[in-house]
Amino acid sequence: NAGVTQTPKFQVLKTGQSMTLQCAQDMNHEYMSWYRQDPGMGLRLIHYSVGAGITDQGEVPNGYNVSRSTTEDFPLRLLSAAPSQTSVYFCASSYSKGRNTIYFGEGSWLTVV
Amino acid sequence: AQSVTQLDSHVSVSEGTPVLLRCNYSSSYSPSLFWYVQHPNKGLQLLLKYTSAATLVKGINGFEAEFKKSETSFHLTKPSAHMSDAAEYFCVVSDHNYGQNFVFGPGTRLSVLP
Repeated sequence: NAGVTQTPKFQVLKTGQSMTLQCAQDMNHEYMSWYRQDPGMGLRLIHYSVGAGITDQGEVPNGYNVSRSTTEDFPLRLLSAAPSQTSVYFCASSYSKGRNTIYFGEGSWLTVV
Repeated sequence: AQSVTQLDSHVSVSEGTPVLLRCNYSSSYSPSLFWYVQHPNKGLQLLLKYTSAATLVKGINGFEAEFKKSETSFHLTKPSAHMSDAAEYFCVVSDHNYGQNFVFGPGTRLSVLP
């Protein structure tokens, strides 16, 4: 079972560069989301989507953009990378609202220099 | 709004002794509660979840947690720690009245000493 797949696993960017973190799930989940993990802060929600064509902002959306053209894919774009975006990024998915488990990808380690 | 407090940022136990990781939550409705484990440089794995059925929930690797509504707690326990339990543990609350967003606690790092 593939589950939630994220790429790349590791990336180094220069300040000002843009890039896209890819996320795909094969469980037909309506809900997908992106989190960033920083030491001592747990996981913070960046953006989420409750279905194709529908996205919304989470707790820390600034500097990130998302789109959801299909149920399977939910890419995260860094528009102009900044050192403050150095973090570990997790994509996650779940069935729709309610008492459902959220499943995570393996994470993407991003360093902005 | 939902929130999660994990009372200890770091817990250290000896191998073979009990583990207690504490979690308190705030939610305006009947929540779903989860514990996830993260080993170094790895993703998050579900340990167990509470979704309004039995209040004592058993998970993988010998872990269990008890939902106590009166105390708004969901503490994670294990009778006997193993070296492989050393990891970061996250308590998570989801309140479907606020949509499908999951709120994470800051995490508790568990160290297991030989």
